[in-house]
Amino acid sequence: RKEVEQDPGPFNVPEGATVAFNCTYSNSASQSFFWYRQDCRKEPKLLMSVYSSGNEDGRFTAQLNRASQYISLLIRDSKLSDSATYLCVVNGGSSASKIIFGSGTRLSIRP
Amino acid sequence: EAQVTQNPRYLITVTGKKLTVTCSQNMNHEYMSWYRQDPGLGLRQIYYSMNVEVTDKGDVPEGYKVSRKEKRNFPLILESPSPNQTSLYFCASGRWASGGSNQPQHFGDGTRLSIL
Repeated sequence: RKEVEQDPGPFNVPEGATVAFNCTYSNSASQSFFWYRQDCRKEPKLLMSVYSSGNEDGRFTAQLNRASQYISLLIRDSKLSDSATYLCVVNGGSSASKIIFGSGTRLSIRP
Repeated sequence: EAQVTQNPRYLITVTGKKLTVTCSQNMNHEYMSWYRQDPGLGLRQIYYSMNVEVTDKGDVPEGYKVSRKEKRNFPLILESPSPNQTSLYFCASGRWASGGSNQPQHFGDGTRLSIL
């Protein structure tokens, strides 16, 4: 089993739609959780950290479920500019200082 | 401007010819890390460092070396590159909080290596 798993997609949705991504992680001791976005062949950029109580930033909402070991990202009112690959990132693995990336979920927003 | 700078951005070289990819950050971050990104495999951590003179292996360290003699620099060394090390490489830095939690990382622009 991979340490961090994401649905690879691609998700192809119309502009204005709501889209949700899930990510599961295997190490119950993980403490840090993030969502990054990556545009084609560019560097990953932080979208948002994920906190235990859940957090929102504009159209983006992230949630953490420690009991089930998954994190989620919800994008409301999607824009064409949201087209990218979304990466789930978790620390832990065999060492708390290691960082594990999911393989990413590709999102394509159509007009 | 806060940034992570990698050099070179692109390199084509031949098997066995030692090369170094430099990485420098100006944010006084404790944590620095190298990743490689390959199609279908996502980003995989090669090595990381939690502070000066403290380095550790990530998931794919074979064939690579690193050093952390200064806080701002974290070079990646390929002593004898091979074609399977052809990849897109990213350096990143971030704060390392006490208690074992990472803070978000800032990434360099990437280095595209081709080993012939």
